[in-house]
Amino acid sequence: EAGVAQSPRYKIIEKRQSVAFWCNPISGHATLYWYQQILGQGPKLLIQFQNNGVVDDSQLPKDRFSAERLKGVDSTLKIQPAKLEDSAVYLCASRQTGKVWSPLHFGNGTRLTVT
Amino acid sequence: RKEVEQDPGPFNVPEGATVAFNCTYSNSASQSFFWYRQDCRKEPKLLMSVYSSGNEDGRFTAQLNRASQYISLLIRDSKLSDSATYLCVVSKGGDTGFQKLVFGTGTRLLVSP
Repeated sequence: EAGVAQSPRYKIIEKRQSVAFWCNPISGHATLYWYQQILGQGPKLLIQFQNNGVVDDSQLPKDRFSAERLKGVDSTLKIQPAKLEDSAVYLCASRQTGKVWSPLHFGNGTRLTVT
Repeated sequence: RKEVEQDPGPFNVPEGATVAFNCTYSNSASQSFFWYRQDCRKEPKLLMSVYSSGNEDGRFTAQLNRASQYISLLIRDSKLSDSATYLCVVSKGGDTGFQKLVFGTGTRLLVSP
């Protein structure tokens, strides 16, 4: 089966600019996650979707970050305006719904550098 | 207290050694547990799930202790290729669509010749 697709792989922007990331999950996976991983830390959940609805966005900095999954398939994550501390790898993951032991499947991630 | 805690390491071991990592979690209602492996500049990949009865996959053994709220990973006969960061993942919530999966900070393992 095809894995989770993410783009772009790398992005360098200046602070206060905007950026968007795209993710296409594994076919049939209703649950989609965006994680932020800062160097030396574990992934931190930003937002979780179940189909096109938001399940958890408690750690999403809503003043600058937004995400959508309009048709319940692919998703975009946007940062506007970016800050230096947003430099991180943004990981998208998907998971099969209905099985407690279903693992997360990650995309390759987008490495964002804010200068 | 953090939801999921791990010793960040690094653990430096020689080839052939046995090494064990622990991970503690704070939510007693957590339902599923996983160990992920992350190589440098790569995405995390599932190493193994951690079942209540414990499970083994080759040189890797995972255990769950619900009473003390920790999971462990044992690696026997370490190989150079085992060098990586090992992430503990704990879920909480009901239906998998609504389960929150929380990662620890990871434990770095360095296996030397």
